[in-house]
Amino acid sequence: NAGVTQTPKFQVLKTGQSMTLQCAQDMNHEYMSWYRQDPGMGLRLIHYSVGAGITDQGEVPNGYNVSRSTTEDFPLRLLSAAPSQTSVYFCATRGQGKGYEQYFGPGTRLTVT
Amino acid sequence: AQSVTQPDIHITVSEGASLELRCNYSYGATPYLFWYVQSPGQGLQLLLKYFSGDTLVQGIKGFEAEFKRSQSSFNLRKPSVHWSDAAEYFCAVGLGGGGNKLTFGTGTQLKVEL
Repeated sequence: NAGVTQTPKFQVLKTGQSMTLQCAQDMNHEYMSWYRQDPGMGLRLIHYSVGAGITDQGEVPNGYNVSRSTTEDFPLRLLSAAPSQTSVYFCATRGQGKGYEQYFGPGTRLTVT
Repeated sequence: AQSVTQPDIHITVSEGASLELRCNYSYGATPYLFWYVQSPGQGLQLLLKYFSGDTLVQGIKGFEAEFKRSQSSFNLRKPSVHWSDAAEYFCAVGLGGGGNKLTFGTGTQLKVEL
């Protein structure tokens, strides 16, 4: 039982490049989310999904796309990377119903030059 | 819009001393409240959570937190800090069905002096 896994752990991109951050979970959780963490700003919600085929925007969605074709996977796509997207990205999952905590992955550190 | 305030950016305590980390929230309804801890280079680990019922909640690693509706606060406490508690601590409010969407505070960095 791996929990929540994220790949890659580190990535360096040039401005304008695209890439996909991968997130996978084996807990059969319906809810999945992407957050970014920046110094002095805590974590901010980018996009989230309440189940396969359903996604919605969070607080800071611009520049990112998501899709949810399976329960297990929730990739985050950067269409045209910008230096402002330099951050640490965390994927999280949550079971359904009240009282369920969010489980966070180990994070992906992205640098855009 | 909802918000979470952690007024202390850095806190330093001596090992064995007591600890209180402050958290205030702004949210119209009864919130789902969480405290997470993050060690350097790691993901977030849940310390404790509050949804309803007893306003004093116990968590892992000897931490507790008290929900005070009148003060819109959810402060984290520990009676005796250990050197291994040095980390960054985040308070969060959960919104949406069951608290799916988390709004985080900016974090408090805890340093423990030996």
